[in-house]
Amino acid sequence: GAVVSQHPSWVICKSGTSVKIECRSLDFQATTMFWYRQFPKQSLMLMATSNEGSKATYEQGVEKDKFLINHASLTLSTLTVTSAHPEDSSFYICSAGPHIAKNIQYFGAGTRLSVL
Amino acid sequence: AQKITQTQPGMFVQEKEAVTLDCTYDTSDQSYGLFWYKQPSSGEMIFLIYQGSYDEQNATEGRYSLNFQKARKSANLVISASQLGDSAMYFCAMSLTGTASKLTFGTGTRLQVTL
Repeated sequence: GAVVSQHPSWVICKSGTSVKIECRSLDFQATTMFWYRQFPKQSLMLMATSNEGSKATYEQGVEKDKFLINHASLTLSTLTVTSAHPEDSSFYICSAGPHIAKNIQYFGAGTRLSVL
Repeated sequence: AQKITQTQPGMFVQEKEAVTLDCTYDTSDQSYGLFWYKQPSSGEMIFLIYQGSYDEQNATEGRYSLNFQKARKSANLVISASQLGDSAMYFCAMSLTGTASKLTFGTGTRLQVTL
């Protein structure tokens, strides 16, 4: 299957700081990438759809100014958690897919964010 | 809107046995895809199998097969010859086809393979 790389895998930061998470498609070009958040023992919740060269589309209830998404190239999307607070602590995971018709999405390994 | 229902929060299966994980879906669209993903304790989401709504044959990928019953709107995952490494969370998902549309996930089933 296609390879999606996500970095960092684990980050601990102080409250009030910003954290950037990178998502790269290594062997295909992705015009669209997706960002999800997962709470312990729960399913994935879509946060936003990241479109190359344009603004991201956020799901209802997701703060655009808190979770900044940039998709500057066909292989890289970034999620920046701004002014992080302990309630932002979670597992964040991105996905992308080379198969537009089938929409098979391949996921990064995820990032565990802990805000102290 | 699409909806995925997984009614089994947890399942146990003995090693080398087969197990079926249930998934039902709801959509008013005719063209869609159904997916199964595996999430081990490490957190990564591993794509297992895909079934298109117009595919006449059930999808198979190695030990994984998808029992697609369109009239019942079900897309059960069958794992044959279970292995200890199959212990994980399994998510059923769907999306509309033709565009890079978002996945809708079920709540997941935790599978535990025992000796």
